Amino acid sequence: DTAVSQTPKYLVTQMGNDKSIKCEQNLGHDTMYWYKQDSKKFLKIMFSYNNKELIINETVPNRFSPKSPDKAHLNLHINSLELGDSAVYFCASSHLAGLAGGTGELFFGEGSRLTVL
Amino acid sequence: QKEVEQDPGPLSVPEGAIVSLNCTYSNSAFQYFMWYRQYSRKGPELLMYTYSSGNKEDGRFTAQVDKSSKYISLFIRDSQPSDSATYLCAMRDNNDMRFGAGTRLTVKP
Repeated sequence: DTAVSQTPKYLVTQMGNDKSIKCEQNLGHDTMYWYKQDSKKFLKIMFSYNNKELIINETVPNRFSPKSPDKAHLNLHINSLELGDSAVYFCASSHLAGLAGGTGELFFGEGSRLTVL
Repeated sequence: QKEVEQDPGPLSVPEGAIVSLNCTYSNSAFQYFMWYRQYSRKGPELLMYTYSSGNKEDGRFTAQVDKSSKYISLFIRDSQPSDSATYLCAMRDNNDMRFGAGTRLTVKP
């Protein structure tokens, strides 16, 4: 069973379109994240949700809107796609660090590679 | 200045070499220090973690944290071609995880 699964794995679309990426985790974690990884492999956090509530919202254009219907799901919707949005988007989940002595290790999905033409 | 600095490489070594990877950071609130390994077209996976300062060894891998210098290291002994991947340092306080840029390592047979 895949712990963190995200769909689609690959997405090729035209500038100006709207697209969504879905993420689900079956690890019972209370915190979920979206990260963007650019071509130089730099992983940058975009959003974090804890029990369906937004707790981290980095400086991201408001064309990006996360939605968490329940604590096992965190979706990412992107409006009016631009060339610079091309990247790999990773969903991740964790317990918060410190809970039950945990490290708050992040478990990542396999990534969704978005190409905007 | 970025919160976490890591030389992106690339780093190429022969099989059997000792590899040293490192990161520096600026936020003294970080308490958990991790190394993630990312194979091509895969998500990062946790390799090692250390809480606060000290050393931790796991097989061929040793992680070191020096909080006074805000410096962390990962050593790989007897490196293997299967170690070829991107290694990302990561650190967090209670809520916030920050990653380094990742170092791309190639171990040549």
